[in-house]
Amino acid sequence: DVVMTQSPLSLPVTLGQPASISCRSSQGLVYSDGNTYLNWFQQRPGQSPRRLIYKVSNRDSGVPDRFSGSGSGTDFTLKISRVEAEDVGVYYCMQGTHWPLTFGGGTKVEIK
Amino acid sequence: EVQLLESGGGLVQPGGSLRLSCAASGFTFSSYAMSWVRQAPGKGLEWVSGISSSGDNTYYADSVKGRFTISRDNSKNTLYLQMNSLRAEDTAIYYCSLKQGGSWGQGTLVTVSS
Repeated sequence: DVVMTQSPLSLPVTLGQPASISCRSSQGLVYSDGNTYLNWFQQRPGQSPRRLIYKVSNRDSGVPDRFSGSGSGTDFTLKISRVEAEDVGVYYCMQGTHWPLTFGGGTKVEIK
Repeated sequence: EVQLLESGGGLVQPGGSLRLSCAASGFTFSSYAMSWVRQAPGKGLEWVSGISSSGDNTYYADSVKGRFTISRDNSKNTLYLQMNSLRAEDTAIYYCSLKQGGSWGQGTLVTVSS
């Protein structure tokens, strides 16, 4: 199974400052169709998860452009350019290339 | 608008069974692989099971293999999860989602306790 390792576990951020979350996979995530199915999710307290980024760097509809995804191979990053109060929550990466699908352990973003 | 509505959760004793359902609407259900994902209280997301668009291929996490069965009825736009031999550690909110997580339901709570 592909192991997804996220860091840090907790990320205290000052409002208006940038934030960065790392996600590393134990093997490459390029599918046979040439796509890399690495997705990022936000889960606010008491809510269902919401996808922010799909296929490494594509923002879902309605996702603010302060969120961006990058990476290749086995190393991926989610960046928030300027953290806002509504960004508080837990962020997860997930690989959708290899069955069984697997999630990272999550990164809790909180305001300092 | 894509909608996924889970149902069937509840309180069950250890060793018991439950069948979860997920009613899908707003998209061509038969064209998409689907997943069940769970979240134990205070814990992270755990992928549980997946199924291909046709239903021909199914996949399971090791933690549920041999106890859970995923299925789908494309004529009814519904995804299922049959859960047998339930354990306390299966207690969680169960979500259905599209394989790549583009949409999620609100979840249904399963509590396994005597």
